[in-house]
Amino acid sequence: DQQVKQNSPSLSVQEGRISILNCDYTNSMFDYFLWYKKYPAEGPTFLISISSIKDKNEDGRFTVFLNKSAKHLSLHIVPSQPGDSAVYFCAASTQGGSEKLVFGKGTKLTVNP
Amino acid sequence: DVKVTQSSRYLVKRTGEKVFLECVQDMDHENMFWYRQDPGLGLRLIYFSYDVKMKEKGDIPEGYSVSREKKERFSLILESASTNQTSMYLCASSLFGRGPLETQYFGPGTRLLVL
Repeated sequence: DQQVKQNSPSLSVQEGRISILNCDYTNSMFDYFLWYKKYPAEGPTFLISISSIKDKNEDGRFTVFLNKSAKHLSLHIVPSQPGDSAVYFCAASTQGGSEKLVFGKGTKLTVNP
Repeated sequence: DVKVTQSSRYLVKRTGEKVFLECVQDMDHENMFWYRQDPGLGLRLIYFSYDVKMKEKGDIPEGYSVSREKKERFSLILESASTNQTSMYLCASSLFGRGPLETQYFGPGTRLLVL
């Protein structure tokens, strides 16, 4: 049973436009959500997180939105840059921290120049 | 900066061999994790440890064991390697506790090929 779902395996956008990556979850006990970015042949790196007490968190070009009633979160990248091309993983935790994360399958973002 | 290192970037082993993957972190983190990443399956947790000599099974522990004798080092052991264990293995570490800024820090990964 997949608790964290990223239904789009891939996404392609033009440089300068908005990228929207989506993530759905089924476990209502999740209270902390994170996005990781992964380049080929490298480990994932933390991008941005959001606690369940918030509905939005912003860091530069990256914004994460959380809709608890819909059990849905999204990552917005504005403007998208070719260097953003990577696989993005959504992750969730039930403990408000990072003891154990449940990851989605990832979405491969390609930003075309 | 947190640094998580893994002993090998690429490894080729034969079926039936015992394989050791080593991970070291330098930030005094309590928690350490082993994942495998496969195309279309994302990151799946194999084992994790929240203290020296402590370990917990993750989602796919079958065919693996772990060892944590020192806080900074977490080893993943494939007792008898099989071809379905060909994968990218990722180690991660994190601080213990709850907080909005805590996250897991990953090593560069070990790509293991079992022939």
